[in-house]
Amino acid sequence: GAVVSQHPSWVICKSGTSVKIECRSLDFQATTMFWYRQFPKQSLMLMATSNEGSKATYEQGVEKDKFLINHASLTLSTLTVTSAHPEDSSFYICSARDPSGVTDTQYFGPGTRLTVL
Amino acid sequence: SQELEQSPQSLIVQEGKNLTINCTSSKTLYGLYWYKQKYGEGLIFLMMLQKGGEEKSHEKITAKLDEKKQQSSLHITASQPSHAGIYLCGADYSGNTPLVFGKGTRLSVIA
Repeated sequence: GAVVSQHPSWVICKSGTSVKIECRSLDFQATTMFWYRQFPKQSLMLMATSNEGSKATYEQGVEKDKFLINHASLTLSTLTVTSAHPEDSSFYICSARDPSGVTDTQYFGPGTRLTVL
Repeated sequence: SQELEQSPQSLIVQEGKNLTINCTSSKTLYGLYWYKQKYGEGLIFLMMLQKGGEEKSHEKITAKLDEKKQQSSLHITASQPSHAGIYLCGADYSGNTPLVFGKGTRLSVIA
């Protein structure tokens, strides 16, 4: 089946630094990718919709200047957490929709665990 | 109130027993996804249901979507320790929008 990869799988950084997370669709082209955040023992919450070639659409309450999203190609979207703080520590998961499939299924990456010290 | 309600929140079953997890939407679904997640890991796609009355099975897991397309159930037969994890249902309301997730069901299977 379709595969979505994320890199890195985990990262530890100091407060105030920026961290970039990559999301790649490995065997299909995705014009739209989604970024979710998951706090411990909670469900996934949508952060933003990443559209190839245009600006991302952010959910209410998500700071677009803090969480920079770039969808530069049909197979790659990046999420940069700028000036990270301990409260940004979370599990970040991306997903991509494969429009070529019969059921237009959405596939999820393995996630990136961010710990900000 | 939440658009998507998932129940139960947690479940402990003895190995070999059957179990059911439910997911109820306040709105008609375009599609309903079931995922499994082990803590701290990504989501594993289980099944996607789109047609009213549809039922799909994979190994010992069966998922159904009701005729009204507002309720889905996930049934595991003869549970095993490998079934333990968090099960999430995700609602697709229009076909090209991000999923809305339930709060998840934490399943433990004890020997």
